[in-house]
Amino acid sequence: NAGVMQNPRHLVRRRGQEARLRCSPMKGHSHVYWYRQLPEEGLKFMVYLQKENIIDESGMPKERFSAEFPKEGPSILRIQQVVRGDSAAYFCASSYRQGDSPLHFGNGTRLTVT
Amino acid sequence: GESVGLHLPTLSVQEGDNSIINCAYSNSASDYFIWYKQESGKGPQFIIDIRSNMDKRQGQRVTVLLNKTVKHLSLQIAATQPGDSAVYFCAENNFGNEKLTFGTGTRLTIIP
Repeated sequence: NAGVMQNPRHLVRRRGQEARLRCSPMKGHSHVYWYRQLPEEGLKFMVYLQKENIIDESGMPKERFSAEFPKEGPSILRIQQVVRGDSAAYFCASSYRQGDSPLHFGNGTRLTVT
Repeated sequence: GESVGLHLPTLSVQEGDNSIINCAYSNSASDYFIWYKQESGKGPQFIIDIRSNMDKRQGQRVTVLLNKTVKHLSLQIAATQPGDSAVYFCAENNFGNEKLTFGTGTRLTIIP
């Protein structure tokens, strides 16, 4: 769990602002997965990325949300023009190769939109 | 103590007793199942997993049982301790597929 680093741990944004969430995978891992968790619910898949490529974004809203995993640096989940419904915990997991199981998660970023 | 998963999202168990947390999954094609433990303010922590070619797997103080006929998964925690208090999620997918589907979760509280 401690191997995947997410920051910030807490993020407060006003409606209409942009939120940028960062995920540094475990050393040597080139696959990153983002999940969202609403209060009192389980995690829901958003997007799966490899270095410089989006592999599966079927769980990500079509508008305002984007994700990237550049060749250098952390993976970024970006939410533009945030709304109150975006308030949630966003978790990242990483793996060495596709399909490595089980996934190990970071401690998340808790986004609050006021 | 025993829960029925989605219908009883909370479970209180006396310290030292055994607990059973249940989970009903929906996708008959799922062949890989995982139990995660989530403490307040933290990410899900892997506990134990099981593939569909097995019906039981044991770890340290934990046992997972899989009944594919009725699509039911359970997590047994023996001799519960205060540190076991958390929300427990089952998750399923096809082995090697990155898309985990999580259940709603059960909140386990250990009473000292």
